[in-house]
Order: sequence, then structure tokens, then C-alpha cells
Amino acid sequence: SQKIEQNSEALNIQEGKTATLTCNYTNYSPAYLQWYRQDPGRGPVFLLLIRENEKEKRKERLKVTFDTTLKQSLFHITASQPADSATYLCALEGDSGYSTLTFGKGTMLLVSP
Amino acid sequence: NAGVTQTPKFQVLKTGQSMTLQCAQDMNHNSMYWYRQDPGMGLRLIYYSASEGTTDKGEVPNGYNVSRLNKREFSLRLESAAPSQTSVYFCAAELAGGYEQYFGPGTRLTVT
Repeated sequence: SQKIEQNSEALNIQEGKTATLTCNYTNYSPAYLQWYRQDPGRGPVFLLLIRENEKEKRKERLKVTFDTTLKQSLFHITASQPADSATYLCALEGDSGYSTLTFGKGTMLLVSP
Repeated sequence: NAGVTQTPKFQVLKTGQSMTLQCAQDMNHNSMYWYRQDPGMGLRLIYYSASEGTTDKGEVPNGYNVSRLNKREFSLRLESAAPSQTSVYFCAAELAGGYEQYFGPGTRLTVT
């Protein structure tokens, strides 16, 4: 079955720097990949979706890349702010036959002033 | 426009008790999902409904049942709660398969 790996250790960066989060996957070739943000005590919030034929997608300070050869997605936040501190979840199209999502465990990002 | 709502927000059950978690969406989306989130395990899919009138098992369906009452509502039932079902439960709605999912605020369930 498919496996998704996100760095379990928190990423600590300074305000203004670029944060880069990694999502690696195995045993599958998803047609698309999504990134969500989750704040403590709240449900995940959708950020970006990238399809297998797209190499890169941008939305304001966010950028996602999707390398189907390396089976990896990188999520970048440029000019990071303390308000960007949250857990970021990677989600792939599931392999169940219908387009369900399989989520990674998430990486916590801490941006210090 | 509330998006996805869930009730209750918190619940404590004794082992063996039953309860139903309610979820409703006002976005006219076709697909709805139930997940559980446990520390160190991430979000895991319990059941989903691709469209009104259909339901299917996800990764961890044992001990749960669901009902897609109409297009707006998708409920999750625990017939005989067990401590292993202590978790945070999230409902989500999606326009159709392959789009972004919109999550509710979650229900924190403790089974003692």
C-alpha cells in the first residue's frame, strides 16, 4: 500500500526566511497531491493542489513542486511570518479506486520573530 | 455560509455506550468523508460517501457505521464504544473526487 513520509521533527526558522517542507511517497503514482495547514484544535485547511502533469504551483507566498520521478513534493513558504506557524499536511490521491486522500502525519513549522 | 459543521464538539462515553456524530455541509458538495486523527498516526479515513445514497469503507472502518441521510448530512455511529476509539473525529466535504476537501472543526471523543 502507499506510504507517505513527512519529517516528523518540527522545523524551526526565523521570520523572513524561506521554509521548505518535504513530502516523500512510495508504492504509488498519484494523479495529484495536496497540501493542508492545520492549527491546534482545528480542522485542516486546504492550501494547494498540484497535478502530476504540473511541475510547480504558486499561490501568494506559497510554492509547491511535484517530482513524480523522485516521488517527492516540496512545499515552500517565502518571507515566513510567525502567523505561518502550524502543522502542514501532505495528502495524496488514495489507491482505493475512488479519489480518496491519504494523508501524511504532518510537519510542524515554528517561525520565530 | 457555515461550510462544514460537526456536533458535538466534545463527548465522553463509557465503554459499551453508543453515540452518533453529526456532520452537515451547506456547500452542495457531492462527496463527504469521516476521518479520525490520533497523535503520531495522522488522519485516517474511516468511511466516505462519494455521492448521496452511497457509502464505502476507508482504511479503518471497524467499529463504525455511517449514514448519508441526504446530500447535506453524513453521520458516523459508534454502536459500542471502546477506549481505542478515543480520538478526534473530522468530517470533510468535497465537490467531487479529485478536488480539495473542506473540513469541519472536529469532535473530540474520549471513551473511558
